[in-house]
Amino acid sequence: GDSVTQMEGPVTLSEEAFLTINCTYTATGYPSLFWYVQYPGEGLQLLLKATKADDKGSNKGFEATYRKETTSFHLEKGSVQVSDSAVYFCALSDRGGGADGLTFGKGTHLIIQP
Amino acid sequence: ETGVTQTPRHLVMGMTNKKSLKCEQHLGHNAMYWYKQSAKKPLELMFVYSLEERVENNSVPSRFSPECPNSSHLFLHLHTLQPEDSALYLCASSQGDGITDTQYFGPGTRLTVL
Repeated sequence: GDSVTQMEGPVTLSEEAFLTINCTYTATGYPSLFWYVQYPGEGLQLLLKATKADDKGSNKGFEATYRKETTSFHLEKGSVQVSDSAVYFCALSDRGGGADGLTFGKGTHLIIQP
Repeated sequence: ETGVTQTPRHLVMGMTNKKSLKCEQHLGHNAMYWYKQSAKKPLELMFVYSLEERVENNSVPSRFSPECPNSSHLFLHLHTLQPEDSALYLCASSQGDGITDTQYFGPGTRLTVL
């Protein structure tokens, strides 16, 4: 079946540091890939997505590139802020047509220190 | 109201109680989902509804009973729960057309079973 593996953390960085959160996946088809973010006490918010190989998703300074050859979708940001502290989830949707649940990784807790 | 809303935000119940969680989406979507988020585990897909019909049930115990009366509303009826059912229950919606995969999440209901 489909699966998503991501570093669990917590990952602790200083403000303005470079961020990488690794994510790799296994899927039977050609999935869409997502990064969601969850701030304390809230639900999940879509951060970015990519729907085919070599696509780059970007939002709020975060980027991730869909790498089919390495089955990866690593999340990066050049300069993190304290407000980026949250839990980040990598997920995939193995489209078979119609509604389809997402398969999530366990989440990476990111802590940014001033 | 915009997006996906969930009520109540917090719920404490005994093992013999019966309660219901409510989800409402204001996005014009036709697919809705229930997920369970437990500590240290990936989000678990519980139920998927597309066009008000259940299309997926991931081996969820019968003490959880979903209901989707129309495309905007989704309920999760709870009865005789166990303490291990304590978790954050998240509702999501999507267009469900197999093309636009993005799911939009509500803030969740934090459930505690005593």
